[in-house]
Amino acid sequence: DAGITQSPRHKVTETGTPVTLRCHQTENHRYMYWYRQDPGHGLRLIHYSYGVKDTDKGEVSDGYSVSRSKTEDFLLTLESATSSQTSVYFCAISEWGLSTEAFFGQGTRLTVV
Amino acid sequence: SQQGEEDPQALSIQEGENATMNCSYKTSINNLQWYRQNSGRGLVHLILIRSNEREKHSGRLRVTLDTSKKSSSLLITASRAADTASYFCATDAGSGGGADGLTFGKGTHLIIQP
Repeated sequence: DAGITQSPRHKVTETGTPVTLRCHQTENHRYMYWYRQDPGHGLRLIHYSYGVKDTDKGEVSDGYSVSRSKTEDFLLTLESATSSQTSVYFCAISEWGLSTEAFFGQGTRLTVV
Repeated sequence: SQQGEEDPQALSIQEGENATMNCSYKTSINNLQWYRQNSGRGLVHLILIRSNEREKHSGRLRVTLDTSKKSSSLLITASRAADTASYFCATDAGSGGGADGLTFGKGTHLIIQP
């Protein structure tokens, strides 16, 4: 398995609270991605990074921010969690971006109550 | 919006039979990938086929790509109970420089009956 770890694996939080999810990789891959997976929608891209401090928005970025201060860590922050952000979040990494395979973490199940 | 759409949404077959899943997409691509997801787990890459390729094999997997029809198929031969999972196609409709991410379909849920 590729060295990619998501934390926490499960979290329950209250509406309006900030939440940060962490993705850590040991593969030294340049590209990192955050997706959310919801029934009926498949996986949708939230944000991605193509290098340290280089990030950009994906399809469903509203309400989310990211940071990447080191190659190995990519943080996803929900500034003020809402019930619509209840989902399973996946981090993925790839060495050369879209032209190569992506490796996925095990996912974080987030419930906003 | 989804770039790829898998068909069927669900498929149940007997162990030992072949399973075929289809994926259709809307815009030009550089490559198309197939992933498997076991229940409660992350996605695992199966195979990548580039736009200039028509067929690719990996073990019991065979993938075809028809860019004129904007479609791909995944064939799993001699299915096993362990093949029970959801299967997703993903396309790179991005700029080719790594920008954006893969665009996934909603998946085909495959059940292999023992």
